[in-house]
Amino acid sequence: QVQLVESGGGVVQPGGSLRLSCAASGFTFSSYGMHWVRQAPGKGLEWVAFIRYDGSNKYYADSVKGRFTISRDNSKNTLYLQMNSLRAEDTAVYYCAKLDWFAFDYWGQGTLVTVSS
Amino acid sequence: QSALTQPASVSGSPGQSITISCTGTSSDVGGYNYVSWYQQHPGKAPKLMIYEVSNRPSGVSNRFSGSKSGNTASLTISGLQAEDEADYYCSSYTSSSTLGYVFGTGTKVTVL
Repeated sequence: QVQLVESGGGVVQPGGSLRLSCAASGFTFSSYGMHWVRQAPGKGLEWVAFIRYDGSNKYYADSVKGRFTISRDNSKNTLYLQMNSLRAEDTAVYYCAKLDWFAFDYWGQGTLVTVSS
Repeated sequence: QSALTQPASVSGSPGQSITISCTGTSSDVGGYNYVSWYQQHPGKAPKLMIYEVSNRPSGVSNRFSGSKSGNTASLTISGLQAEDEADYYCSSYTSSSTLGYVFGTGTKVTVL
């Protein structure tokens, strides 16, 4: 069965950096595009970034463009999100999600990122 | 990338039908048949309920159905059950400002 397990969350100061990882199993990771989606405490879902199955194209929400970088290592079945210049408004649970049918068909359990001094 | 507009809350009694709307623009909902719907229970990850406007993934109850007219998509839950109480989000592929995806503002469904 499909499993997505995020890690790397934690508390970081404003202006700091953090790298999230998402370990995938149960499907052919190298054949699917992948997303990062976040949810601030008590708020709705916000799409963050997408990477094609082969890493050839990447797309970002305006709110993170230039600060976040999505990447993947298909040999390790792992998705990454490098987050730099973090701000208080980046505080959220970050989910990785698999793309199919132009939808987010499987989600991880999420990892919490808190940006605070 | 402005969020799609959903009603903040919708309620219904067990057995009734409810409909949640999701309004966007011609750059997202109206321009593509790539609208999807998600159910999220408190403290849990979202679950895909509908993809490509009206298709149900395997395992999702046929009480859930989707449709679209112009720039507005809709999710209908028929035969409302207690376990349907959750937050629901729509999403669409978008070509506005940058290619990507956009979510709706979310709707809290309460079973009375």
